[in-house]
Amino acid sequence: DTAVSQTPKYLVTQMGNDKSIKCEQNLGHDTMYWYKQDSKKFLKIMFSYNNKELIINETVPNRFSPKSPDKAHLNLHINSLELGDSAVYFCASSQSFEKLFFGSGTQLSVL
Amino acid sequence: GIQVEQSPPDLILQEGANSTLRCNFSDSVNNLQWFHQNPWGQLINLFYIPSGTKQNGRLSATTVATERYSLLYISSSQTTDSGVYFCAVKGGGADGLTFGKGTHLIIQP
Repeated sequence: DTAVSQTPKYLVTQMGNDKSIKCEQNLGHDTMYWYKQDSKKFLKIMFSYNNKELIINETVPNRFSPKSPDKAHLNLHINSLELGDSAVYFCASSQSFEKLFFGSGTQLSVL
Repeated sequence: GIQVEQSPPDLILQEGANSTLRCNFSDSVNNLQWFHQNPWGQLINLFYIPSGTKQNGRLSATTVATERYSLLYISSSQTTDSGVYFCAVKGGGADGLTFGKGTHLIIQP
């Protein structure tokens, strides 16, 4: 069983569209995250939820909205996609900010 | 926020060689982790090591928190060790992990 799974793996879409990425973890962790990796491989945190509560909300456009229906799931919805949103988005989880486990990533290409 | 610098940025070695990767950070940390991103993009956690020394097979890591650095040692390199190695740290605030820019390692057969 995959510990942190996210779907889809690839997402190709047109500018202006709305899309969602889903993430689930079966590790029993209490904290989940979204990270963005740009074309230069730089990884930056976007959001973090602890027990369904938003605790980290970095400087990210309002077009990005995370939602955590329960502590095992964290989804990312993106409105009005722009060319600059093209990147790899990683979901991750940890127990109380300790060892971090990543999903396999979603490569988003905005055309 | 905390600054993280990794060195060297790039490293090319022959199979069987040993290597040391360095991570310097600008402030006190209570969380430090090393990751390997393989050529397929998968991010694997190697060590959670806010202080002290740990070993896992051919890999070991040491963090000297008081001097604000951590080292990752890879011995007897294999081609499957190729990829990017990231150091990530977290201070005492509510921020998440801050990642360095990584060391891109290529192991040639």
